[in-house]
Amino acid sequence: DTGVSQDPRHKITKRGQNVTFRCDPISEHNRLYWYRQTLGQGPEFLTYFQNEAQLEKSRLLSDRFSAERPKGSFSTLEIQRTEQGDSAMYLCASSEMDRGPNEQFFGPGTRLTVL
Amino acid sequence: DAKTTQPNSMESNEEEPVHLPCNHSTISGTDYIHWYRQLPSQGPEYVIHGLTSNVNNRMASLAIAEDRKSSTLILHRATLRDAAVYYCILKGAQKLVFGQGTRLTINP
Repeated sequence: DTGVSQDPRHKITKRGQNVTFRCDPISEHNRLYWYRQTLGQGPEFLTYFQNEAQLEKSRLLSDRFSAERPKGSFSTLEIQRTEQGDSAMYLCASSEMDRGPNEQFFGPGTRLTVL
Repeated sequence: DAKTTQPNSMESNEEEPVHLPCNHSTISGTDYIHWYRQLPSQGPEYVIHGLTSNVNNRMASLAIAEDRKSSTLILHRATLRDAAVYYCILKGAQKLVFGQGTRLTINP
């Protein structure tokens, strides 16, 4: 499978715990995006990388959230001291840089439940 | 970010055409009109995009009004697999700004 992959697909954690999600983009895609989606809403942009550089962060990305993309390949999204309001689907997408419509290819998401 | 307005839901019958409208009266000259859809329990997938001219691809057609303040996504022959939430997005920068979308139901 050459699409965007995310791991884990589901995560249940207790409030206050830290969680980390991983995203593997389509190989050679320079850009990588993180979005969050709560039930019944459209996805909301969190942050994006061009290669290893984090170029934009949403105000939604509080100081408890951190994202990295070492070496410009896979990316991790860490949430520290989780809260019940963090329960959502976390979606990763990737795209080629400056080619065509910059179509974003999405992964299946990681569903986080904070108890 | 420029805003789009779509009906919350629409319903159609299998093998009939479907026209999904989108209003975007505050569109700027450099915004592309993108459509994505999200099938149940999946991430969004790209459908089509355009700037000024109507566009066709294997999935759908996009009709853009002359003043660019509205557009219509056309599914020529809907199938049950087209049941999804369809998002109309104005893309100027890198990020996608999703609204609530239109939930399309296809009746067999």
